[in-house]
Amino acid sequence: AQKVTQAQTEISVVEKEDVTLDCVYETRDTTYYLFWYKQPPSGELVFLIRRNSFDEQNEISGRYSWNFQKSTSSFNFTITASQVVDSAVYFCALSEDDYKLSFGAGTTVTVRA
Amino acid sequence: SAVISQKPSRDICQRGTSLTIQCQVDSQVTMMFWYRQQPGQSLTLIATANQGSEATYESGFVIDKFPISRPNLTFSTLTVSNMSPEDSSIYLCSVEDWARGKNYGYTFGSGTRLTVV
Repeated sequence: AQKVTQAQTEISVVEKEDVTLDCVYETRDTTYYLFWYKQPPSGELVFLIRRNSFDEQNEISGRYSWNFQKSTSSFNFTITASQVVDSAVYFCALSEDDYKLSFGAGTTVTVRA
Repeated sequence: SAVISQKPSRDICQRGTSLTIQCQVDSQVTMMFWYRQQPGQSLTLIATANQGSEATYESGFVIDKFPISRPNLTFSTLTVSNMSPEDSSIYLCSVEDWARGKNYGYTFGSGTRLTVV
């Protein structure tokens, strides 16, 4: 069964628009961790955030923000005032007690100038 | 955060041959993870490598096809054996990244882009 679902395959926006990426996860563990990674066209994976299951506070880092809602098993990611450099594939991932990462299918974000 | 040196960065190989990918970490880590990313796809865990024990493989991956070595706490290799075009993928190693008591998530190597012809 898919543990992490990213329903949006591709999103295209014009520069300065906000974009929200959805992530829904599934786990029976009470302790787990959620992640977001960025994979630009160059291919490397860039770590964006790690959030544990006991911390439901939303987080903001510059133009990035994350909304964690355990009630709906969602961990959504918003890019505010998008820029061309934000064009990449974004992956949501889940780690349970075995430390392994289960990745979602990824969402390709294209920001047009 | 941890720095991972992965090589080769890319290779083109003939079918039926084998390729060994190396990952060197600049700090000691208990577990190292190997992932495969097929073209246009997400990442799939191949195996977890602990120093001093056999690697643990995920469903669909076997040791004969993807033998792994973990001789010490900073190094691991993944071999892709008897390659076929279906093995063409990006292979990445990863470690859990701790520094001064803070977790920085999982750091990934830059990847090995393998093309089998």
